[in-house]
Amino acid sequence: SAVISQKPSRDICQRGTSLTIQCQVDSQVTMMFWYRQQPGQSLTLIATANQGSEATYESGFVIDKFPISRPNLTFSTLTVSNMSPEDSSIYLCSVTETQGNTEAFFGQGTRLTVV
Amino acid sequence: AQTVTQSQPEMSVQEAETVTLSCTYDTSESDYYLFWYKQPPSRQMILVIRQEAYKQQNATENRFSVNFQKAAKSFSLKISDSQLGDAAMYFCAYRRNYGGATNKLIFGTGTLLAVQP
Repeated sequence: SAVISQKPSRDICQRGTSLTIQCQVDSQVTMMFWYRQQPGQSLTLIATANQGSEATYESGFVIDKFPISRPNLTFSTLTVSNMSPEDSSIYLCSVTETQGNTEAFFGQGTRLTVV
Repeated sequence: AQTVTQSQPEMSVQEAETVTLSCTYDTSESDYYLFWYKQPPSRQMILVIRQEAYKQQNATENRFSVNFQKAAKSFSLKISDSQLGDAAMYFCAYRRNYGGATNKLIFGTGTLLAVQP
């Protein structure tokens, strides 16, 4: 099973600033996803991180607000830009190892508080 | 569009007893996977059990089992001999099988399970 290291684990940020979250996997994986979990809510997919190309964003999420990079098969970053208190959430990285594998593995999440 | 519904925001069970968490889903597809994930206070999402839609036999993992009713689009989780460590948020999730790993997970709203000693 894939082991995911997600950093930082938590942060408190000033509104108007940006935070970049890193996701490092210990093996090459097919798919990498970024989810948002607002307080007391379920997980909502922000985007699929594509290696070497632009991420695929879900409805309601845009690249200017959540730029994503994936330079290789083991690493991705999510930036939360121009933050407001509404961005206070847990952000989770998720991976799937191979094309035929059904199991998704998750990082421990980043708890972001915007003040 | 696929949707997943968990109608029980909170549940409570006595230690060593059995509890069932409910999940229903809506899809027009016939080939998909269903999952139950556990999220303890540590925030780590942990896969509890998975079910392949084309398999009629209900999945079982130790104390965890599911009741998969494909026609009714129901996928409940039964936890037997509940332990204190089972206390967590439980999410039901759906994933279509077309396109393999490219398919995203769609989550329900979660059920917070408390285990009473």
